[in-house]
Amino acid sequence: QQPVQSPQAVILREGEDAVINCSSSKALYSVHWYRQKHGEAPVFLMILLKGGEQKGHDKISASFNEKKQQSSLYLTASQLSYSGTYFCGTEIQGTYKYIFGTGTRLKVLA
Amino acid sequence: DGGITQSPKYLFRKEGQNVTLSCEQNLNHDAMYWYRQDPGQGLRLIYYSQIVNDFQKGDIAEGYSVSREKKESFPLTVTSAQKNPTAFYLCASSVGTSRAYEQFFGPGTRLTVL
Repeated sequence: QQPVQSPQAVILREGEDAVINCSSSKALYSVHWYRQKHGEAPVFLMILLKGGEQKGHDKISASFNEKKQQSSLYLTASQLSYSGTYFCGTEIQGTYKYIFGTGTRLKVLA
Repeated sequence: DGGITQSPKYLFRKEGQNVTLSCEQNLNHDAMYWYRQDPGQGLRLIYYSQIVNDFQKGDIAEGYSVSREKKESFPLTVTSAQKNPTAFYLCASSVGTSRAYEQFFGPGTRLTVL
């Protein structure tokens, strides 16, 4: 039931790009993306409400393919501050129950 | 400043003791959530509440209890029935259904059972 994220972990050099995927076995109404630094609370990045929607701010963007039940997060020209664990999240249809994906650990090296 | 507060930041408990974790928000949010996070793992939903005096079990509710007597407060009690309670506990809130609204998180409480 939990959305599966890929890759599980990725290491980048500053300036490189990365893509994180989130796939669900169930239909998605919307997808959230969060970043969590070690020992801290998750911080909201963006929400995608409609299939086909794409959003972005700064050098982080995301897309949502409702038909394929998946979303992708794109990080371009990565910075050291991008390091952390990224989670997608979604509310299960027909309920108010919220679940997070399996997570992707991203480390950016200087 | 609006936000979510959790207290205490660190909590130590002896085996067999119940302990209550506090979560307060002044954002006027209707929905509140409790998550558990184990080292290197994701967030698992314990309980959630969409409205005062109503709450539902999440995926790992066994050994936990909650109350929602006030809109701004959603305390979590870790009972002695929870076999492995050592973890990082996060409280969150949202304006309404998380289908359309982001969740705001508190700073978390790190619980250690001695």
